[in-house]
Amino acid sequence: EAGVTQSPTHLIKTRGQQATLRCSPISGHTSVYWYQQALGLGLQFLLWYDEGEERNRGNFPPRFSGRQFPNYSSELNVNALELEDSALYLCASSLATSGMGTQYFGPGTRLTVL
Amino acid sequence: GIQVEQSPPDLILQEGANSTLRCNFSDSVNNLQWFHQNPWGQLINLFYIPSGTKQNGRLSATTVATERYSLLYISSSQTTDSGVYFCAVPASGGSYIPTFGRGTSLIVHP
Repeated sequence: EAGVTQSPTHLIKTRGQQATLRCSPISGHTSVYWYQQALGLGLQFLLWYDEGEERNRGNFPPRFSGRQFPNYSSELNVNALELEDSALYLCASSLATSGMGTQYFGPGTRLTVL
Repeated sequence: GIQVEQSPPDLILQEGANSTLRCNFSDSVNNLQWFHQNPWGQLINLFYIPSGTKQNGRLSATTVATERYSLLYISSSQTTDSGVYFCAVPASGGSYIPTFGRGTSLIVHP
């Protein structure tokens, strides 16, 4: 069974540009979570999608957005990039049956903003 | 929201040593997970353990829900155990959103 996949592995952008990160969940998983892990910081919850809908978002500005497609894959968009957006972005999928399901993580996308 | 504290923040071991990592949480939970993040950033799910004890090879975990803590035991540590260990619990009640601790950074020397 394939695990969670993310693309690209690395992404280099300049300040003010837009970044698009992609995630494919484990087959059968309907929930996708996005996290930001900046250097020296823990995992900060960004967004949760389930069944194509945004269900919850963390304490991040509106320039962080995303969507979930009918095949449950997901996209994270970061507009007007700032230097502090440089981080490892992790995607996880789970079966959202009741409450927080077991989280399975992808390898991450390392975003560098110059 | 719930507070999650992990200790120690850093741990350095010689290969073959045993260790215990702790995760304290401020409210009752019905879900707790332990993860290992390797030096390349990949997080691996180690245990789903809302209560009781589980073992997987050299790793075991115990959660005492009534006392609001969980322990991760690593026996006969190996260099491949190096990385950061995180615990995660629901943000509140039956929340679908995880709250992670800040992690324990483990370095195992050969």
